[in-house]
Amino acid sequence: EVQLLESGGALVQPGGSLRLSCAASGFSFSNHAMSWVRQAPGKGLEWVSATHDSGAKRYYADSVKGRFTISRDNSKNTLYLQMNSLRAEDTAVYYCAKEPGPSQYFYMDVWGKGTTVTVSS
Amino acid sequence: QSALTQPRSVSGSPGQSVTISCTGTSSDVGGYNYVSWYQQHPGKAPKLIIYDVTKRPSGVPDRFSGSKSGNTASLTISGLQADDEADYYCCSFAGSYTFRAFGTGTMVTVL
Repeated sequence: EVQLLESGGALVQPGGSLRLSCAASGFSFSNHAMSWVRQAPGKGLEWVSATHDSGAKRYYADSVKGRFTISRDNSKNTLYLQMNSLRAEDTAVYYCAKEPGPSQYFYMDVWGKGTTVTVSS
Repeated sequence: QSALTQPRSVSGSPGQSVTISCTGTSSDVGGYNYVSWYQQHPGKAPKLIIYDVTKRPSGVPDRFSGSKSGNTASLTISGLQADDEADYYCCSFAGSYTFRAFGTGTMVTVL
């Protein structure tokens, strides 16, 4: 069964840092691009970041560019999101999602259950 | 990265059909045949129900169908069932710079 399991969410103060992880299983992780999508409380979905199967190319939403870094360790089947200079508006449930191919971003066919990040003093 | 526009809510009785619109621009919805739709029940993760405008993943009932005309994509749910009550989001590829745009989301209520 294809599964994605996020972890690392926490309560953090404004200006702080956090690293999210997404453990993948049930598919060939190294052959698929991956994305992070977030959802603020009571709000809609917002795409955050994506990376190619190799990790060589990375893409970011304007709202997180320069503060967040996406990476992956294909030997551990794990996707990461390093979040720095966190702001209140980064408070959200963060989902990782699987893309259908190595470098195409046309839809996300499998989603994790999400991990909650709260930025507050 | 502007959001695609969806109606805030739609409703219908069991067995009826409802259609949700998703309006973008020629830079996203109108420019690519890469519109997808996601269903999200309260407190749950989104689930892919339509991709590439009209295609359904394995296991998704054929009561769900997608279409596109110009800068507007649509999701139709036929034979509405109680379990269809959820939030629905469209999403479009938007090129190598903007990358990806989500819709504002539509709450479907089964009366």
